[in-house]
Amino acid sequence: TQLLEQSPQFLSIQEGENLTVYCNSSSVFSSLQWYRQEPGEGPVLLVTVVTGGEVKKLKRLTFQFGDARKDSSLHITAAQPGDTGLYLCAGAYVAGNQFYFGTGTSLTVIP
Amino acid sequence: ETGVTQTPRHLVMGMTNKKSLKCEQHLGHNAMYWYKQSAKKPLELMFVYNFKEQTENNSVPSRFSPECPNSSHLFLHLHTLQPEDSALYLCASSQDRGRAQETQYFGPGTRLLVL
Repeated sequence: TQLLEQSPQFLSIQEGENLTVYCNSSSVFSSLQWYRQEPGEGPVLLVTVVTGGEVKKLKRLTFQFGDARKDSSLHITAAQPGDTGLYLCAGAYVAGNQFYFGTGTSLTVIP
Repeated sequence: ETGVTQTPRHLVMGMTNKKSLKCEQHLGHNAMYWYKQSAKKPLELMFVYNFKEQTENNSVPSRFSPECPNSSHLFLHLHTLQPEDSALYLCASSQDRGRAQETQYFGPGTRLLVL
């Protein structure tokens, strides 16, 4: 079983603050995805990164893939209550094969 | 609304019951998946179907039995479950299984409680 570690496990911040969550593995990813899961719903894909060092932006969310393709980060600027949810990373070690999920970071943004 | 629906949304069953979970996708996809999501554990892939054929079974106990009658529908038949099987069961679909950057679309899940 491949292991993806996400940190922190829980995060509670005030509206307007910035935050970064991390996803790490000891093995190299072929590609990595970030999902957000809101209570009572399934995960929704936010982004897919495939190139080492790649940076993608989605409004106030910035995703970075590590140069060695073993880790990734998600940075949220000026967090809003609507950002509340469980953020999951999922990595594929072989292109076209199974994505393995991390345990997630549960984010609460307090108004 | 992701285009993937699941019923029921909540289910309580005894260990001797038999029940079925249903998933339907309206996206024209060819691959469908069952995942189990338990507290403090990563999503666990259970089964994969591609073009109605089961392609992966990740060592799932036989008390879980999948069925895929066509590319739009996926069932998970449950019998003689254990309390540790209580979890959120998620269905997902993607265009095809095996694409390098496949996007999976998840349903809202069925919250299962086994008493």
